[in-house]
Amino acid sequence: QVQLVQSGAEVKRPGSSVRVSCKASGGTFNTYAVSWVRQAPGQGLEWMGGIIPIFGTSNAARKFQDRVTITTDESASTAYMEMSSLRSDDTAVYYCARDRGYSGYLDQWGQGTLVIVSS
Amino acid sequence: QLVLTQSPSASASLGTSVRITCTLSSGHSTNAIAWHQQQPEKGPRFLMKLNSDGSHTKGDGIPDRFSGSNSGAEHYLTISNLQSEDEADYYCQTWDIGIRVFGGGTRLTVL
Repeated sequence: QVQLVQSGAEVKRPGSSVRVSCKASGGTFNTYAVSWVRQAPGQGLEWMGGIIPIFGTSNAARKFQDRVTITTDESASTAYMEMSSLRSDDTAVYYCARDRGYSGYLDQWGQGTLVIVSS
Repeated sequence: QLVLTQSPSASASLGTSVRITCTLSSGHSTNAIAWHQQQPEKGPRFLMKLNSDGSHTKGDGIPDRFSGSNSGAEHYLTISNLQSEDEADYYCQTWDIGIRVFGGGTRLTVL
């Protein structure tokens, strides 16, 4: 069964960028989409955006549209989420998840990537 | 606006049952939802997709103790025969074209 394996923890300075990867280990994304979700310390889950790898079409939640870029490398079965102009309140665990596309539910999660933004 | 509302907390005793509620915002009562569990210090895990007709699709390995139902805009997650490992945060999630939305989460305490 395909597992979603994310890149390791990052520590970044305010104003810098971070890129988190999500690899479909043991297979491909097939026709599924990939969503990105973040969770700030002690807070709930927040959807950031998603991509349909076979089409390369992506969209981001309004809150993140000017700072988040979601891409995919289908040959590597890997999706990426890049966030720019990092602030301290971007400190969070970032998750990728398999997204059922039109059906819209997330049915498999990556292990999460901790991003700490600190000067 | 598509919004999901959950009570912040719930509690029940070991071996009993508990029902967690998720309410869809007005105009979206026929949306399907999904339930996710997040145990302490772990990532989320998909439990089930719950359709507006009450039918559901469970994730791999989810015990029969977990079931879903709904009534109008309210969707429910019922956990029977509560175990200590069921102590977790439970999130409902729904969607529309181009967006995904999470409820605020319900923290379940098993007494």
